[in-house]
Amino acid sequence: DIVMTQIPLSSPVTVGQPASISCRSSQSLVYSDGNTYLSWLQQRPGQPPRLLISKISNRFSGVPDRFSGSGAGTDFTLKISRVEAEDVGVYYCMQGTQLYTFGQGTKLEI
Amino acid sequence: EVQLVESGGGLVQPGGSLRLSCAASGFTFSDYWMHWVRQAPGKGLVWVSRIKYDGSISTYADSVKGRFTISRDNAKNTLYLQMNSLTADDTAVYYCAKDTWGGPDYWGQGTPVTVSS
Repeated sequence: DIVMTQIPLSSPVTVGQPASISCRSSQSLVYSDGNTYLSWLQQRPGQPPRLLISKISNRFSGVPDRFSGSGAGTDFTLKISRVEAEDVGVYYCMQGTQLYTFGQGTKLEI
Repeated sequence: EVQLVESGGGLVQPGGSLRLSCAASGFTFSDYWMHWVRQAPGKGLVWVSRIKYDGSISTYADSVKGRFTISRDNAKNTLYLQMNSLTADDTAVYYCAKDTWGGPDYWGQGTPVTVSS
């Protein structure tokens, strides 16, 4: 099974400042079709998860452009250019290359 | 607008069974793979199962293999999860989710399952 490891697990942030979350996979997420199935999800308190980014860097419908994803192979990063109060919640990376596994989650708190 | 509405959760005794449903709307249900993902209280997300758009292929996490069965009724736009031999470790909120390439995109609100005597 592919293990996903996120750093940090908790991140105090300031509104208006940038934030960054790292995710590392235990093996390469490059699939046989050449795509890398690494997604980022946001879960606000009391809400279901919401897809933010798929295939490393593709923002999902309705996701603000302050969210961006980058990386390759086994190392990936989610960046928020300027944190807003509504960004509070837990962020998960997820791999979909070999079935599906999630990182432990990173709690973003103001 | 994509909508996924789960139902069927509740309190069940250890060793019991439960069937979850997920009513889908706002997209062509029969064109998409579907997933179940669960989240134990205060814990992270764990993928449970997926099913191909025509129901011909289903895959399970090792933790539920042989106990859970995913199915779908494309005429009713509904996804199901039959859960048997439930244990306390199955206590969680269960989410159904629509697939995009590489995993779930749209998620339902979830239905809670509590396994306790």
